[in-house]
Amino acid sequence: QIQLVQSGPELKKPGESVKISCKASGYTFTDYAMHWVKQAPGKGLKWMGWINTYTGKPTYADDFKGRFVFSLEASASTANLQISNLKNEDTATYFCARGKKGYVMDAWGQGASVTVSS
Amino acid sequence: ETVLTQSPTTTAASPGEKVTITCRASSSVSYMHWYQQKSGASPKLWIYDTSKLASGVPNRFSGSGSGTSYSLIISSIETEDAATYYCQQKSSDPPTFGSGTKLEIK
Repeated sequence: QIQLVQSGPELKKPGESVKISCKASGYTFTDYAMHWVKQAPGKGLKWMGWINTYTGKPTYADDFKGRFVFSLEASASTANLQISNLKNEDTATYFCARGKKGYVMDAWGQGASVTVSS
Repeated sequence: ETVLTQSPTTTAASPGEKVTITCRASSSVSYMHWYQQKSGASPKLWIYDTSKLASGVPNRFSGSGSGTSYSLIISSIETEDAATYYCQQKSSDPPTFGSGTKLEIK
């Protein structure tokens, strides 16, 4: 069955970097896009962008340009999200989600919690 | 950016009651998708392309709408339906989510 398994929780200090992984299984990785979605504590869902898993081209929402990088390890069916120069407001759960046509996100990872605190 | 406004923010219903959740877009969109998120869990695709039920979704759920107004309807609430429901559009960049409607069961 389709699974997206994300890396574990992270506790970081402001200014540090973090890398979150999302390993896909149960389907052909390069046939579907991978989206990233942020959920701050007690808040709603915010789309961060997506990566074309066939070409590797990332697209970032305006609020996530600069410190955020989407990447792939296609041979390992894995998508990564790296956040540099962490700020307190980056404290959130980050989800990867498989994308279909029309930006339908039909399978989600379990979420990766990032806490930024001095 | 197309802003999606959901109403109500929170609602409570008894088992067997009908519930309607509305999502209004700041500009016209072609389709709406809906996600269900239970407490402490990741979201699940629930309804896509306005009215198509995702795999495994009970048929007491339905979706409708067009233009700037869309709805998720539950014909007869069950206790397992307690969750937060989010609408999402991608007719215009960037894709956006509504702020969510929390459904509680009395």
